[in-house]
Amino acid sequence: GENVEQHPSTLSVQEGDSAVIKCTYSDSASNYFPWYKQELGKRPQLIIDIRSNVGEKKDQRIAVTLNKTAKHFSLHITETQPEDSAVYFCAAWNQAGTALIFGKGTTLSVSS
Amino acid sequence: DAGVTQSPTHLIKTRGQHVTLRCSPISGHKSVSWYQQVLGQGPQFIFQYYEKEERGRGNFPDRFSARQFPNYSSELNVNALLLGDSALYLCASSAPGTRREQYFGPGTRLTVT
Repeated sequence: GENVEQHPSTLSVQEGDSAVIKCTYSDSASNYFPWYKQELGKRPQLIIDIRSNVGEKKDQRIAVTLNKTAKHFSLHITETQPEDSAVYFCAAWNQAGTALIFGKGTTLSVSS
Repeated sequence: DAGVTQSPTHLIKTRGQHVTLRCSPISGHKSVSWYQQVLGQGPQFIFQYYEKEERGRGNFPDRFSARQFPNYSSELNVNALLLGDSALYLCASSAPGTRREQYFGPGTRLTVT
């Protein structure tokens, strides 16, 4: 079945550094890749997404890149701040387009 | 605009009991999906409903069922609760169309003792 793998599982950076989280997916038909941020005890919040017809998308300090040939996509956060500390999940639609398949999450800790 | 809402916020049940969780989607959204999130894991897909019809079902036992009402709100029912059903149950809604963005509600924290 469809699978999304996410690395690393934990990431610690100093405030102001950059953070990169990588995901690979198995279904070559996937064409939509969202990233969610989940703070402790809260709902997953959609922070950025990318569709397969573009290779990169930016929104202020966050960006996502997609390599369809290699079937991987990455989240880049620049100039990290303590409030970026959270669990980040990548996801991809399943082949039927009925469900998002999530990675296992990356716990990002930004220390000041 | 109100986001996705869910009720109740928290729930404690005993093994063998049943539970009903409720979700109201964002106004204008016709698709509702349910996910289970066990502590330390990503959300796992349970059901998707669109226009009151089941469009997808994840790898969950028949003890799990759901339905969608004419106003697009939805209920998730779980029968014969097991300890392993303890989790955060998330509802997500999306606008009409395929492979659209999904927006999550705050979830219902279910504890089975």
